[in-house]
Amino acid sequence: KQEVTQIPAALSVPEGENLVLNCSFTDSAIYNLQWFRQDPGKGLTSLLLIQSSQREQTSGRLNASLDKSSGRSTLYIAASQPGDSATYLCAASPGQNFVFGPGTRLSVLP
Amino acid sequence: ETGVTQTPRHLVMGMTNKKSLKCEQHLGHNAMYWYKQSAKKPLELMFVYNFKEQTENNSVPSRFSPECPNSSHLFLHLHTLQPEDSALYLCASSPGGFGNIQYFGAGTRLSVL
Repeated sequence: KQEVTQIPAALSVPEGENLVLNCSFTDSAIYNLQWFRQDPGKGLTSLLLIQSSQREQTSGRLNASLDKSSGRSTLYIAASQPGDSATYLCAASPGQNFVFGPGTRLSVLP
Repeated sequence: ETGVTQTPRHLVMGMTNKKSLKCEQHLGHNAMYWYKQSAKKPLELMFVYNFKEQTENNSVPSRFSPECPNSSHLFLHLHTLQPEDSALYLCASSPGGFGNIQYFGAGTRLSVL
């Protein structure tokens, strides 16, 4: 059974810092891995989707990498801004559905 | 705006009430999903529908009853819920098949008294 973990659980950084969020999954047999952002009390917004055959994906200040063999993915956020404050979720797809991690709660301080 | 709309946004119900959550997508997707997000727990998949047919039930209690009348609409009928069912219920849709991006609605915040 696929299990997804994320560290750290919470992170607080000053504005402008580069930061890395970590995601680990137990079963490397995945179709893809997706990173989401969730604002308090809101739904999920897809940030990046990495197919199992890919190593990384980039969108603006965000870069996500995938290492299936080690069961790890990282989300790199460059030059963080207060507007980046949210919970970041990673989800691994063993099939049609996704198995979600518990999330990392990020606070970027002005 | 993701193209997936959920109503109502907030719902308070007693344990003996019957209510329904609604989800609608205008993305032309063939698959729809219900997820439950409880405090301090990861998002949990509840049900999956493909082309209006239920293809996955993740051991959800029968007090939750899904309905998918067409590929654009998904309902979650609720009856005799328990206080521990209080959570954020999220609907998602995708083009179907494996490995596709899922688009989420804003969710319904449910409180069971």
